[in-house]
Amino acid sequence: DTAVSQTPKYLVTQMGNDKSIKCEQNLGHDTMYWYKQDSKKFLKIMFSYNNKELIINETVPNRFSPKSPDKAHLNLHINSLELGDSAVYFCASSPAIRTSSYNEQFFGPGTRLTVL
Amino acid sequence: AQSVTQLDSQVPVFEEAPVELRCNYSSSVSVYLFWYVQYPNQGLQLLLKYLSGSTLVESINGFEAEFNKSQTSFHLRKPSVHISDTAEYFCAVSDVNFNKFYFGSGTKLNVKP
Repeated sequence: DTAVSQTPKYLVTQMGNDKSIKCEQNLGHDTMYWYKQDSKKFLKIMFSYNNKELIINETVPNRFSPKSPDKAHLNLHINSLELGDSAVYFCASSPAIRTSSYNEQFFGPGTRLTVL
Repeated sequence: AQSVTQLDSQVPVFEEAPVELRCNYSSSVSVYLFWYVQYPNQGLQLLLKYLSGSTLVESINGFEAEFNKSQTSFHLRKPSVHISDTAEYFCAVSDVNFNKFYFGSGTKLNVKP
C-alpha cells in the first residue's frame, strides 16, 4: 500500500546509455514532481505535471524527458547519460496545485542513479 | 522567486539536549513554509508546516518551528532530542499558489549518546 513508489531503487549504468525511472502514486493526487538530489544533498525540482499537463519545467538538459501516461504515473526518461547525472532522483505527488487547501508533497523512496 | 538558506550543514548534539536548526528565506510574495525530514536511505517526510494562523507550529514528535516574518526565518527547535531524531532536515518554501517548492540545502542532525 505504498503511497508513492519508484522503480528501480538503484540504477547503475554506463555513460551514453538511455534509462528510465518509473513513478506511481496511489493517492489520487493530481500533481506529480521529479526532484534531483545531488551528492551534497541539495534538492532541486526538475519537472511538475498537473493532470498529465506539464506545468513546471526547470532548466534541465533536454536529455531529460518526463512522460505522464495518466495522472497516477510520471516517468523520467534520460538519454545519453553523463557522469553528472549521478544523483538520487525523487518523485513526489500532491493533491492539487493552485488551490487554497492544504498541499503537502508526498515523496517516493528515491532512485539512486550511478553513471560510470 | 523564492530561496531558502540553511546556515548549518551539520549539527552535532548529545541526546536529551535542545537543538535549533536555522532556516531563512527570501521572497517578494507571501509564502508557505515547511520542514521535511529525511531518514537514511528514505524519501522526505513532512515534519511540520506553516500556512497561516498561529506562527508557532508543532509536530507530533516534539519539534516546533516559528514563522518570523520580520526576520524571514522559520527555525526548527526541539527541547530534548533522541537518537532516533538523527536525520537530514530540509526547510522548504512555496508561494501561496504552490507553484514551486524551493528546498534548502539541508542540515544533518547527528544525535550522539
